[in-house]
Amino acid sequence: DVKVTQSSRYLVKRTGEKVFLECVQDMDHENMFWYRQDPGLGLRLIYFSYDVKMKEKGDIPEGYSVSREKKERFSLILESASTNQTSMYLCASSVNEKLFFGSGTQLSVL
Amino acid sequence: AQSVTQLGSHVSVSEGALVLLRCNYSSSVPPYLFWYVQYPNQGLQLLLKYTSAATLVKGINGFEAEFKKSETSFHLTKPSAHMSDAAEYFCAVRSGGSNYKLTFGKGTLLTVNP
Repeated sequence: DVKVTQSSRYLVKRTGEKVFLECVQDMDHENMFWYRQDPGLGLRLIYFSYDVKMKEKGDIPEGYSVSREKKERFSLILESASTNQTSMYLCASSVNEKLFFGSGTQLSVL
Repeated sequence: AQSVTQLGSHVSVSEGALVLLRCNYSSSVPPYLFWYVQYPNQGLQLLLKYTSAATLVKGINGFEAEFKKSETSFHLTKPSAHMSDAAEYFCAVRSGGSNYKLTFGKGTLLTVNP
C-alpha cells in the first residue's frame, strides 16, 4: 500500500514563528501536493511539485513556501505563522489522476 | 478554469435509504471527475473516477456515479446507506495539463441515522 506520512498530527505554534510541515511518500511518485482544509471551504491547493526542485503555486500560496530536495519528501514552510493559518493541512502524492493523502496535520497558531 | 459545485453541505439519510450526493462541474474541455471520501480523523481516499470511458462509474463500497454531459453533473449514489458510510464526500475535477492537479468542491457531510 502507498503510504504518505505527515510528521505531526497536531501542532501548536505562536504567531511569528517559522513552521515546517513535513511529508514523506514511499511510492516514488513524481507529483506531490499541499492542501489546506477549512470547514465550509473544502480543500484548497497551496503548492504542488511535479519533480525534485520543481514547484508551482496553487490557488492560495500567499504566506507559504515549499521545498522538494528529494523525490520522497515535500515540505511546507510558514515563514511567519499567523492566526489565519490555523487549519488542517493535507499532503498528497499522485500517480496519474489518483491522489494518496496523508492523515493531515492540525495546526493551531496562537 | 475548471470548478465543481457540491449542492448541499450536509445530507442526512436513514440506514437503508438511498444516498444521493450532488456535484455539478464547469469545464471548457472534457473533464476528468472524481469522488473522494474522508472518514473522521483520516485523509481523503479515492471512491471512483470518470475518465471519458463509460458514463456510469462504479466505485468502492457500493457507490457509483453517472456522468451526464447535458446536465454537467456527476452525482454520487448508493442504493442503501450503511452506518459506516458516514463521512465527508468531496467531488473534484482535474485541471488541464499533465501535472494532475485537482480542484475540489467544498464537501458534503453525510450523516446516516439508525
